[in-house]
Amino acid sequence: QKEVEQDPGPLSVPEGAIVSLNCTYSNSAFQYFMWYRQYSRKGPELLMYTYSSGNKEDGRFTAQVDKSSKYISLFIRDSQPSDSATYLCAMSAGGGADGLTFGKGTHLIIQP
Amino acid sequence: NAGVMQNPRHLVRRRGQEARLRCSPMKGHSHVYWYRQLPEEGLKFMVYLQKENIIDESGMPKERFSAEFPKEGPSILRIQQVVRGDSAAYFCASSPGSSETQYFGPGTRLLVL
Repeated sequence: QKEVEQDPGPLSVPEGAIVSLNCTYSNSAFQYFMWYRQYSRKGPELLMYTYSSGNKEDGRFTAQVDKSSKYISLFIRDSQPSDSATYLCAMSAGGGADGLTFGKGTHLIIQP
Repeated sequence: NAGVMQNPRHLVRRRGQEARLRCSPMKGHSHVYWYRQLPEEGLKFMVYLQKENIIDESGMPKERFSAEFPKEGPSILRIQQVVRGDSAAYFCASSPGSSETQYFGPGTRLLVL
């Protein structure tokens, strides 16, 4: 079993839809959870950073962490074509004192 | 405030040559991380450095790969005697402290012929 599982997609939705992206993990030591967006042939861009369980909202983005289920989600409201990218979940036990463990990424396509 | 800078952005090497990848962290950041992204694979952690110290190199291949972050100048990831399997995108990230999140550079794409 991989440490972090993420459906690679592609996930294709119409413009304006609510997008739900998810990751599951097996290492109960993970406490810090991040979502990055990566456009083709670019570096990952940090979207959301959360600690432990709970929700965090930033504009059109909401991150949820359920440590009891080892499940994290990213919701995108009012999706735009410019949101089309690969979304990577990442997590760590030390919050930066160690390397991040990434999922493989979900390729998201927003249809105009 | 400039972001994390990496150069070169593209590097072509023949088998057996050396590859040197450079990373300048964001201003005020003293922690540097290197990751490798193989085709169809996720980002894999390689090494974590602070100025003049390697903190965690658990993700580094045991042979041919080395990294440094000198007191002055950029962090360097060095790959000796490159093989075709080293072809990948190499990303550098930096953070201001050990418990802070990481910000990534644009990457160096290495192609080994």
